[in-house]
Amino acid sequence: DAGITQSPRHKVTETGTPVTLRCHQTENHRYMYWYRQDPGHGLRLIHYSYGVKDTDKGEVSDGYSVSRSKTEDFLLTLESATSSQTSVYFCAISKADGQPQHFGDGTRLSIL
Amino acid sequence: LAKTTQPISMDSYEGQEVNITCSHNNIATNDYITWYQQFPSQGPRFIIQGYKTKVTNEVASLFIPADRKSSTLSLPRVSLSDTAVYYCPLEKGNTGKLIFGQGTTLQVKP
Repeated sequence: DAGITQSPRHKVTETGTPVTLRCHQTENHRYMYWYRQDPGHGLRLIHYSYGVKDTDKGEVSDGYSVSRSKTEDFLLTLESATSSQTSVYFCAISKADGQPQHFGDGTRLSIL
Repeated sequence: LAKTTQPISMDSYEGQEVNITCSHNNIATNDYITWYQQFPSQGPRFIIQGYKTKVTNEVASLFIPADRKSSTLSLPRVSLSDTAVYYCPLEKGNTGKLIFGQGTTLQVKP
């Protein structure tokens, strides 16, 4: 499996609190992605990065911000978590656009 | 953004060939067709990717007609371990963005 580590794997928090999820890769891949997966919706792209300090929005970016200060780390932040952000979050990496994406094992986030 | 449409579920038996069709009527010229497999509590895993005609690898074949408005994933001789959800996201050309639909839950029975 591709060297992708997501942390934490599980988190329960309260509405209004800030939350940061981390994706760490050891493959030196240029592209990194954050998706969320909810029942009946498949996976939806939140944000992605095409290099250090280069990021762009996906289809469901409202309420989320990202940062990538190093090649190996891509952080997803919920500034003020809401119950609608309860979901499973997946990080993915790829060498370049057009190349297959490799996914992490996900972070299950519950916001009460 | 164009999403794909697949059957919600399919059943099969061990040893049979399974064909899962994906509809993508609004595919753009520079979009690629990819297929992923997902087991419970795991991230999706890449199976195969194509642009047109037929692509084959060690686990599957992908058939794409000339108009590219649909594609078919073919799994030869499935086993119980092929029970999973299969997705056919479009990859937006030159961006790496994957646009997923709801996926097909394949149940393989003994």
